[in-house]
Amino acid sequence: SQKIEQNSEALNIQEGKTATLTCNYTNYSPAYLQWYRQDPGRGPVFLLLIRENEKEKRKERLKVTFDTTLKQSLFHITASQPADSATYLCALALDNYGQNFVFGPGTRLSVLP
Amino acid sequence: SAVISQKPSRDICQRGTSLTIQCQVDSQVTMMFWYRQQPGQSLTLIATANQGSEATYESGFVIDKFPISRPNLTFSTLTVSNMSPEDSSIYLCSVDPGRGGRETQYFGPGTRLLVL
Repeated sequence: SQKIEQNSEALNIQEGKTATLTCNYTNYSPAYLQWYRQDPGRGPVFLLLIRENEKEKRKERLKVTFDTTLKQSLFHITASQPADSATYLCALALDNYGQNFVFGPGTRLSVLP
Repeated sequence: SAVISQKPSRDICQRGTSLTIQCQVDSQVTMMFWYRQQPGQSLTLIATANQGSEATYESGFVIDKFPISRPNLTFSTLTVSNMSPEDSSIYLCSVDPGRGGRETQYFGPGTRLLVL
């Protein structure tokens, strides 16, 4: 069956450390993968997109990797800050037209001061 | 980018009634999407609403339960009909202001619905 999982429901890390969140999927062949941030009571905010033929993408303190062999994406936040505390969602686009899209359950990250 | 507002932000409704949620975008967009996010769960697409055509519903969602209007390129409504407690959820609209493919989606703040 098709499944998309994120490493844990909640992740606590110390301020200044690197947070690593995992998105694993089975029986999907995504054209690209996205990461979103969602704060309580708010809609998701788009962060990064990585395509199937890309290994790594960076944006400021954020880094995303995509391994289509392992069927896994890793999302890193370096030098984490309490303001990075939020739920992070991965989303798979199953085609390049945006017709088929599936979101993961999310990981709630807490960065402790 | 796109700035999206939704009304109401939250509501408490009685079983058997209907609620219409409005989504307003600050720019013209072709594709708008309606999602549901049930407590503790991720987003599930309800339907895609393109201006000038009927909405396209995902498996498990039907027009009679979730009628959608898309009268112009900046506005859409989603109605949750004949509500039951199982409809308690956050309803979100989103848009793709780009060339399609949902490479960048912008979401509204959501409407938090509680059905008693």
